[in-house]
Amino acid sequence: AQSVTQPDIHITVSEGASLELRCNYSYGATPYLFWYVQSPGQGLQLLLKYFSGDTLVQGIKGFEAEFKRSQSSFNLRKPSVHWSDAAEYFCAVGARSSASKIIFGSGTRLSIRP
Amino acid sequence: DSGVTQTPKHLITATGQRVTLRCSPRSGDLSVYWYQQSLDQGLQFLIQYYNGEERAKGNILERFSAQQFPDLHSELNLSSLELGDSALYFCASSIQSGGTDTQYFGPGTRLTVL
Repeated sequence: AQSVTQPDIHITVSEGASLELRCNYSYGATPYLFWYVQSPGQGLQLLLKYFSGDTLVQGIKGFEAEFKRSQSSFNLRKPSVHWSDAAEYFCAVGARSSASKIIFGSGTRLSIRP
Repeated sequence: DSGVTQTPKHLITATGQRVTLRCSPRSGDLSVYWYQQSLDQGLQFLIQYYNGEERAKGNILERFSAQQFPDLHSELNLSSLELGDSALYFCASSIQSGGTDTQYFGPGTRLTVL
């Protein structure tokens, strides 16, 4: 069965610092992987996704993620965070067969220190 | 703005009552998904409809039901409400139903059961 682990519940970084949010998954085949962001009072917005090909994926808002099959990881990175990046971030793993078979991690809340 | 709309934004009701949540998908999207987000359970997939037909079921209680109408809007009906049903309910939509389809989320309906 699919599963996703986001080991960090809450992370605080200084504005302008680099960011890495961890995500580990469990899936029997090559997974579809996603990162979503949820700002307070908002729905989830897709940051980026990985289906196949280049393992370094570029997303919106300056985010990128790297798929590492050997480590079953799909960590999200940003070289320099902005105060507006404060939000909840969700990693998700999906199945090729159906968009409904998507499992979300428990989320990492990102706070930005001025 | 994802293009997915949900009404109402907030709903406060009492135990034992029944409520209906409404979702309008993005123009052209055939699939609608319902999710429940709570502090203890995280983001859980409830049910998916595709072009008016139920396509997939997740962790949806028997007290809950949904439908998708010919104009593709969807309603989630929650009955015999319990305190534990208090949560944020999201609707998402996608063009088709495959694993590569991006789900676009609405802003959610916050349900409070007193």
